[in-house]
Amino acid sequence: EAQVTQNPRYLITVTGKKLTVTCSQNMNHEYMSWYRQDPGLGLRQIYYSMNVEVTDKGDVPEGYKVSRKEKRNFPLILESPSPNQTSLYFCASRSSWSYNSPLHFGNGTRLTVT
Amino acid sequence: AQKITQTQPGMFVQEKEAVTLDCTYDTSDPSYGLFWYKQPSSGEMIFLIYQGSYDQQNATEGRYSLNFQKARKSANLVISASQLGDSAMYFCAMREPTASGTYKYIFGTGTRLKVLA
Repeated sequence: EAQVTQNPRYLITVTGKKLTVTCSQNMNHEYMSWYRQDPGLGLRQIYYSMNVEVTDKGDVPEGYKVSRKEKRNFPLILESPSPNQTSLYFCASRSSWSYNSPLHFGNGTRLTVT
Repeated sequence: AQKITQTQPGMFVQEKEAVTLDCTYDTSDPSYGLFWYKQPSSGEMIFLIYQGSYDQQNATEGRYSLNFQKARKSANLVISASQLGDSAMYFCAMREPTASGTYKYIFGTGTRLKVLA
């Protein structure tokens, strides 16, 4: 089954404790991206990657890191999480071959930083 | 300025009626794409419909259609014959090119639709 898999689904952590949210897709998509969803703000793009070793900042990259060493994986790293990073996070991917291909989303990771 | 504006935080519609969810966008680039996504209470994001800036006709997908008015920069989603399962949050999104030759996605703040029995 074609899918984007995020782990974990839920995560509670403390301020300053480094964490990684994993994202993997099995559709051979070139484009991958991370979003955070906050009430009243919709989804905001954190980072995106056009292909392996090509990443760029989205609208809210502060406090986050990403890497794209393999085509299928795009982990999101919070080196020193803070309570304002409490949010619902989505990873998404799409094929770059078709102009109208939509983003395929993972099921989300709900992060709480205390 | 907001790139994607959804002015209706919440809406109600009677079952079997049609409903229009508003979306206006702002871009100076002639090449862009517009998407609508549905987010049910379970949280996943479901793609509904796409409209390209060069598409001559309004997109349709089953009960979903997109009322695309390019001059007004609006891309309203029309759901016909509403069903109880249509109750969800709906997001309008735009894909636009960046100066570096890549592209990014911008989402609106969403409209929460409640279908009444």
